[in-house]
Amino acid sequence: DVKVTQSSRYLVKRTGEKVFLECVQDMDHENMFWYRQDPGLGLRLIYFSYDVKMKEKGDIPEGYSVSREKKERFSLILESASTNQTSMYLCASSLTGQGAGYEQYFGPGTRLTVT
Amino acid sequence: AQTVTQSQPEMSVQEAETVTLSCTYDTSESDYYLFWYKQPPSRQMILVIRQEAYKQQNATENRFSVNFQKAAKSFSLKISDSQLGDAAMYFCAYRRPNSKLTFGKGITLSVRP
Repeated sequence: DVKVTQSSRYLVKRTGEKVFLECVQDMDHENMFWYRQDPGLGLRLIYFSYDVKMKEKGDIPEGYSVSREKKERFSLILESASTNQTSMYLCASSLTGQGAGYEQYFGPGTRLTVT
Repeated sequence: AQTVTQSQPEMSVQEAETVTLSCTYDTSESDYYLFWYKQPPSRQMILVIRQEAYKQQNATENRFSVNFQKAAKSFSLKISDSQLGDAAMYFCAYRRPNSKLTFGKGITLSVRP
């Protein structure tokens, strides 16, 4: 079975803290993604990576950075957490290739609250 | 830029009945993929159904089927014989080849017993 795991289901951090959200997939997928999900806004892409050490900005990268040192792991970093980063964070992975109409497999999400 | 519109934020259906969730999208591309994802209250998002734009035949997966109208840029999801386990948030999504997914804002479906 395909599996994407995220390090925490719930996380509470203080304003200004550095926050790491970890995502691991066991499917040998090339592509990995970080989204945030907010009510009424759907899913918005923060960053994605199509290979180890490669990253691309998504639609809302401000305030975030990412790291992909190994193929199976993709980390989202909030350098200095702010209250407007309180959200649900979803990680996903997918295959790549010609056409690339492959589905994305999602993790269970991390509910981050910044106080 | 591509956009995906789900105009209804909520819908409700009686158990065993049929419901249709609507989705429209805007693109100038001719080759693309469309998806419906389901996010149950447990939050793990899963793929329900996928449609390739070059295929004229509407995709079907058991009780789930789509009505793909390419000219109208419409991609609705029909759920037949609704079950309590169908209650979830549903997202419509669009993807050009080798590009990122663009999601709609989602619709919350409730199922009445």
